[in-house]
Amino acid sequence: EVQLVESGGGLVQPGGSLRLSCSASGFTLTTYSMHWVRQAPGEGLEYVSAISNNGVSTYYTDSVKGRFTISRDNSKNTLYLQMSSLRIEDTAVYYCVKSSLRAAFDYWGQGTLVTVSS
Amino acid sequence: DIQMTQSPSSLSASVGDRVTITCRASQSITTYLNWYQQKPGKAPKLLIYVTSTLQGGVPSRFSGSGSGTDYTLTISSLQPEDFATYYCQQTYITPWTFGQGTKVEIK
Repeated sequence: EVQLVESGGGLVQPGGSLRLSCSASGFTLTTYSMHWVRQAPGEGLEYVSAISNNGVSTYYTDSVKGRFTISRDNSKNTLYLQMSSLRIEDTAVYYCVKSSLRAAFDYWGQGTLVTVSS
Repeated sequence: DIQMTQSPSSLSASVGDRVTITCRASQSITTYLNWYQQKPGKAPKLLIYVTSTLQGGVPSRFSGSGSGTDYTLTISSLQPEDFATYYCQQTYITPWTFGQGTKVEIK
């Protein structure tokens, strides 16, 4: 059974850093592209970052470029999102998402809340 | 980036109603269009991928259609468990952008 379990969210001050983790089970990260999607309180879904199945290609939405880094540890089958220089507008629930081979988000984690506030 | 525009942003409907949600892309996305359902406090759930293919376990009252820039999600007979927010997403070009969502509420 495929499972994605996020951790690492919490309250952080503006300018601070957090590292989100997504532990995957039931499949191998290197087989599929993986993504982070966030949802600010009361808002819609925003596509944040992605890493290709071979780990060569990454993507970042403009608002997080230079501040967020997506990576993975194949030995732990875990995806990460390192977030630095956090801003109030980064406050959101962050979801770890697996892409299917038909380019759809077929499995989502439960989400982890990141709150940026002084 | 490809912009995805859903309409309406919200709607009120009764159990048993036929409901249609539209999604328009800012350029052709050649059927790389997915639909998700999200209930409050929960992660989104994939309903339909590549325009019209139902994800496993999704009831047959859900259907999708479309081509080019215009796509539709239809719920043939709305059930109590279908009251939720629905999002479309294009996966034709990175970034795989979402529509703004359509909230389906009880009339």
